Amino acid sequence: DTAVSQTPKYLVTQMGNDKSIKCEQNLGHDTMYWYKQDSKKFLKIMFSYNNKELIINETVPNRFSPKSPDKAHLNLHINSLELGDSAVYFCASSQTRGSDTQYFGPGTRLTVL
Amino acid sequence: SQKIEQNSEALNIQEGKTATLTCNYTNYSPAYLQWYRQDPGRGPVFLLLIRENEKEKRKERLKVTFDTTLKQSLFHITASQPADSATYLCALDMRGGATNKLIFGTGTLLAVQP
Repeated sequence: DTAVSQTPKYLVTQMGNDKSIKCEQNLGHDTMYWYKQDSKKFLKIMFSYNNKELIINETVPNRFSPKSPDKAHLNLHINSLELGDSAVYFCASSQTRGSDTQYFGPGTRLTVL
Repeated sequence: SQKIEQNSEALNIQEGKTATLTCNYTNYSPAYLQWYRQDPGRGPVFLLLIRENEKEKRKERLKVTFDTTLKQSLFHITASQPADSATYLCALDMRGGATNKLIFGTGTLLAVQP
């Protein structure tokens, strides 16, 4: 059983397009996260939601908008894609907002041409 | 400025030896420090957490130390195996308002040669 799943795994698109990445966790966790890993493998937090409420919002362009329809899902919508948005995006979840362990999804590799 | 630095080069060791990875940080005061393993094309997987009042934590062949004075954590894999080859990430666990925010280092690529 997949604990944290993301779709799609690969996304190739043109500059200026709008795209979404979906994340689902079947662990019953309250808290979910989006991370960006750049070409140098640096992994940086973007957003976190706890029970559908935004609790972490790092300095991210407002072209990025997370949406949590329920606590098992956290989607990431990106408007007006730019070359610099090319990266691997990871979704993660933890049992609560103060939990020790985060469980990561397999990642979505976004390539903007 | 705030920085987290791990071994800048890839680490190559022979099977059976102990691998030691370093994580140094400046201008942070984490309450906890975590280590994750990341294989190519996959998400990070949690390995160990150590608290600021703990000097050492062990799990099977893994050992982590945490020196808040030196602002350094060391991650050891004893009796290393080729299957241990992966990128290892340290993460400062910045808990403010009970929200677990992880600040990751750049990772160290470990290659264990048979």
